[in-house]
This record gives sequence, C-alpha cells and structure tokens, in this order.
Amino acid sequence: AQKVTQAQTEISVVEKEDVTLDCVYETRDTTYYLFWYKQPPSGELVFLIRRNSFDEQNEISGRYSWNFQKSTSSFNFTITASQVVDSAVYFCALGSNTGKLIFGQGTTLQVKP
Amino acid sequence: GAVVSQHPSRVICKSGTSVKIECRSLDFQATTMFWYRQFPKQSLMLMATSNEGSKATYEQGVEKDKFLINHASLTLSTLTVTSAHPEDSSFYICSARAPGANTGELFFGEGSRLTVL
Repeated sequence: AQKVTQAQTEISVVEKEDVTLDCVYETRDTTYYLFWYKQPPSGELVFLIRRNSFDEQNEISGRYSWNFQKSTSSFNFTITASQVVDSAVYFCALGSNTGKLIFGQGTTLQVKP
Repeated sequence: GAVVSQHPSRVICKSGTSVKIECRSLDFQATTMFWYRQFPKQSLMLMATSNEGSKATYEQGVEKDKFLINHASLTLSTLTVTSAHPEDSSFYICSARAPGANTGELFFGEGSRLTVL
C-alpha cells in the first residue's frame, strides 16, 4: 500500500529560525514521484518541488532545501531563516505514473515574528 | 506555465440542491483530471479520476451517484455534488496532467469551497 506520513502536526518557530518538516513514504513502486506543496490560508496549493525516485540529489532553492533519502524512505524539507510569510500548511505527497497523488496529513507551520 | 482554473471558488447552497464545479485546463489539453476533497484541517483525499470521453474512476468509498463527474472535452471536467447535505461541505480541488508532459507533472486548480446550509 502507498502511504505518506508527516509525523509533525504543528510546528511553531520564531522568525529566522531554521525548520525541518519530515516526510516518510511507503510504496512498492520502483518509479514514483515525491512532491511538496504549500497551502496558505487562502486554500490554493502552491507547488514547491517534484522529485522522481531515480534522482536522489538534494536540492536547494533559495531558503528551501530538500533531502531525499531512499534508504530511509524520507523526503524532508528544510526552510532556512524562516519568515512569517512561510506560515502555512505544508503537504508532502507521493505520486505514481497514473498521476494520482497520496497526500500526507500535512504539517502546520507557524512562524512568529 | 500550465494553468488549471476552477469555478466557482466559493459556493453556498441549501441542503438538497445540486452544485456543479468546473475544472478547466486553460492552455493545454488534459485527457485525465483528478478530483480531491479536503475537509477542514485535514489532508486532501483523492475522490476520482476523470477521463475524457469515458466514465470516471472512483476511489473506494466515494459515491459515484452522489458525485457526478463529466469530462466531455479535453479542457473541461465537471464535478456535480447532487442533493448536497451539510456533510458535503468541503474544499474540492482538481488537478490535471498535460499530455506528453513529464510523468508526474501535475497542475492544480485554485480549489472550490462548498458550504451546504
């Protein structure tokens, strides 16, 4: 069965702190895709990153970085020097060639000034 | 980049009425679209896969007679919540994949928030 676990329900940090959001997945597929989305209070899903199962390179985009570890089935997301505007719900998702996504439960990040 | 648009963004209706939500791919043709539902403070759950020109495929536990999906063209899929009740109040969001796009490349609509009184 496919599953995505985001064990952290809520995280609260003070501005400028670094924060890591954890994501652990389960799948039997050899080809799969991992995603991170941001959902601000307005509700829309903001795409952050997509990774395929054959690309374990870590990625950095500005203050965002992702650590993909197939050995531990994890795809963690780190925000460096967090800002108030980073406050949102963050979802990790697992996809296959069908295009369907399985979402984790989400982590609510609150960044306080 | 590819854009997927949903309409309406918000809808309030009385219990017992039917509500139609549209999902359009604005600059590409989508043979497959997906409908998700998100209850307050919960995750997104896949409801069904909408296939252009054929019947939708529903996930286990989703009532196909309750949630009618029509994908009559390559740019439009509609979700109709029939005889809506307060428990159907939710955030409905669609996604689409452009044909020929890298597998796994998906685009989400802005979502439609349904409130049933």
